[in-house]
Amino acid sequence: GAVVSQHPSRVICKSGTSVKIECRSLDFQATTMFWYRQFPKQSLMLMATSNEGSKATYEQGVEKDKFLINHASLTLSTLTVTSAHPEDSSFYICSGQPQGYYNEQFFGPGTRLTVL
Amino acid sequence: AQSVTQLGSHVSVSEGALVLLRCNYSSSVPPYLFWYVQYPNQGLQLLLKYTSAATLVKGINGFEAEFKKSETSFHLTKPSAHMSDAAEYFCAVTSNAGGTSYGKLTFGQGTILTVHP
Repeated sequence: GAVVSQHPSRVICKSGTSVKIECRSLDFQATTMFWYRQFPKQSLMLMATSNEGSKATYEQGVEKDKFLINHASLTLSTLTVTSAHPEDSSFYICSGQPQGYYNEQFFGPGTRLTVL
Repeated sequence: AQSVTQLGSHVSVSEGALVLLRCNYSSSVPPYLFWYVQYPNQGLQLLLKYTSAATLVKGINGFEAEFKKSETSFHLTKPSAHMSDAAEYFCAVTSNAGGTSYGKLTFGQGTILTVHP
């Protein structure tokens, strides 16, 4: 149980375009989902926390107008990278937190974004 | 505020040897601590977690970790390394109390484990 999927697993786009990444909790309801970014050979950095039905909370230094997060249901959150640039190329990982489980997150397999 | 320091970005061991990956944490409130493993181009898999119960925590794949409050440490060990253990390992901390860090994970920089035949 506690499976999180991400789609797509890999995406290549041109500079200036927008890319949407989906994060789904397949067998549990995730009242909270987290979005992380991982640059090569680096650790995971939390970008934002999204709660179902409300606006996401962004970490300091993360542009909310560039990284649009929508958490419209208890099983789906989306991250849209708007007007992507090569420096946005990274590995994006989401996690879902089941309701009431504040010490547990289940991670998706990640999405590799390459911006040309 | 909370933080995690993993000592050693790379650890290399021989197959069958002891694995020891070091993690020290800083937290202003009682912590929950985690070890995750990441294989190339994949997400994170939970190895084990400390949530204020037993201080010696056993996880999957033969790994275990001991929470030592006096040393603010949560080192990961495995008695005998396998080739399949080669991966990157992350220690993480979250708060089990209220505040802005509640439920958020803070990760260490990661340790790449190499296992030689």
